[in-house]
Amino acid sequence: EVQLVESGGGLVQPGGSLRLSCAASGFTFSSYWMSWVRQAPGKGLEWVANIKQDGSEKYYVDSVKGRFTISRDNAKNSLYLQMNSLRAEDTAVYYCARPNRGEEEGTFDYWGQGTLVTVSS
Amino acid sequence: VIWMTQSPSLLSASTGDRVTISCRMSQGISSYLAWYQQKPGKAPELLIYAASTLQSGVPSRFSGSGSGTDFTLTISCLQSEDFATYYCQQYYSFPLITFGGGTKVEIK
Repeated sequence: EVQLVESGGGLVQPGGSLRLSCAASGFTFSSYWMSWVRQAPGKGLEWVANIKQDGSEKYYVDSVKGRFTISRDNAKNSLYLQMNSLRAEDTAVYYCARPNRGEEEGTFDYWGQGTLVTVSS
Repeated sequence: VIWMTQSPSLLSASTGDRVTISCRMSQGISSYLAWYQQKPGKAPELLIYAASTLQSGVPSRFSGSGSGTDFTLTISCLQSEDFATYYCQQYYSFPLITFGGGTKVEIK
């Protein structure tokens, strides 16, 4: 059974940093792109970042470029999101998600339960 | 960046109704469109991909259509468990991805 379990969320002050983790199991982690998607309270879904299977390519939504870094450790079946210079508008539930492979690459068939990040003084 | 306009943002309907949700793209994306359902406090679930292909296990009352810039999600006979928020998502520009703004389907 595929499982994605996020951790690392919490309350942080504006300008602060936080590192999210996602522990993956039930599939060959190193064979899949991986993603972070966020959802601000009462708002819609926003894709945040993608990382290629070997970590050689990384892509970000414009609003987090230069502040967030996605990474992965295939030996540990883990995905990370380092978030620096956090702003109030980064407050959201952050989901780890697995894009499909093949023709449907880019659709998300598995999601974690989400971890809440609150940026506030 | 591919912009997406999803409408309506709120849809009031009754059990048994046929409902349609629209998603319009700022540029053509062939059929690289997916639909998700999200219930409060839960992660989204994939309903449809490739604009019209049902994900395994999704009831046949859900259907998708369209290509290019205009897409539609239809629920043929709304059930109580279908009251939720629905999102379209384009993956034409993968690994860059965009979601629509969402449509909340509420009880009339």
